Amino acid sequence: EIVLTQSPATLSLSPGERATLSCRASQSISIYLAWYQQKPGQPPRLLIFDASYRATGIPARFSGSGSGTDFTLTISSLEPEDFAVYYCQQRSNWPLTFGGGTKVEIK
Amino acid sequence: EVQLVESGGGLVQPGGSLRLSCAASEFTFSSFWMNWVRQAPGKGLEWVANIKEDGSEKHYVDSVKGQFTISRDNAKNSLYLQMNSLSADDTAVYYCARGVPATRGEAFDIWGQGTMVTVSS
Repeated sequence: EIVLTQSPATLSLSPGERATLSCRASQSISIYLAWYQQKPGQPPRLLIFDASYRATGIPARFSGSGSGTDFTLTISSLEPEDFAVYYCQQRSNWPLTFGGGTKVEIK
Repeated sequence: EVQLVESGGGLVQPGGSLRLSCAASEFTFSSFWMNWVRQAPGKGLEWVANIKEDGSEKHYVDSVKGQFTISRDNAKNSLYLQMNSLSADDTAVYYCARGVPATRGEAFDIWGQGTMVTVSS
């Protein structure tokens, strides 16, 4: 099973700042990584798939990069609605697995 | 509006069974891989199972193999999860999620609101 390790666990930032979230895979997963945002009491929302493709309706301030084992989700300028938990997910190998999440909180 | 609505959750005793349902609307259900993903209280996400558009291919996380069965009825636009021999470890919100075609259904673009399953005596 591929293990995804997200860092940091918590990111404390102010609105308008840049957020950089990391996801590291235990083995190479090519570009087969997705990112999701989840707010309390809501289902996850797909942001990025296959490392860098934004899902439908996702603002351009969200971008993804990386390949192999190291991936990054960048939020260029945090909006108030961006404070949430973010998960990465791989689809390179069965079973599909998620990272443990990074919480982006208001500083 | 494209929508997924889960039902069938509830309180069940250890060793019991439940069947979850997911009703799809406003998209061509038979053209998409479908998935179940769960989230234990206060924890992260865990993919559980998925099923191909025509039901001919299914995959499961190891921890539920032989215990859970995913199925679908394309005529009814519905996805199911039969869960047997339930234990406290299965307590979670269960989400139905649509697969993104460009990812062979392995990333999830539409999610239901989830149904809570609680396994307790």
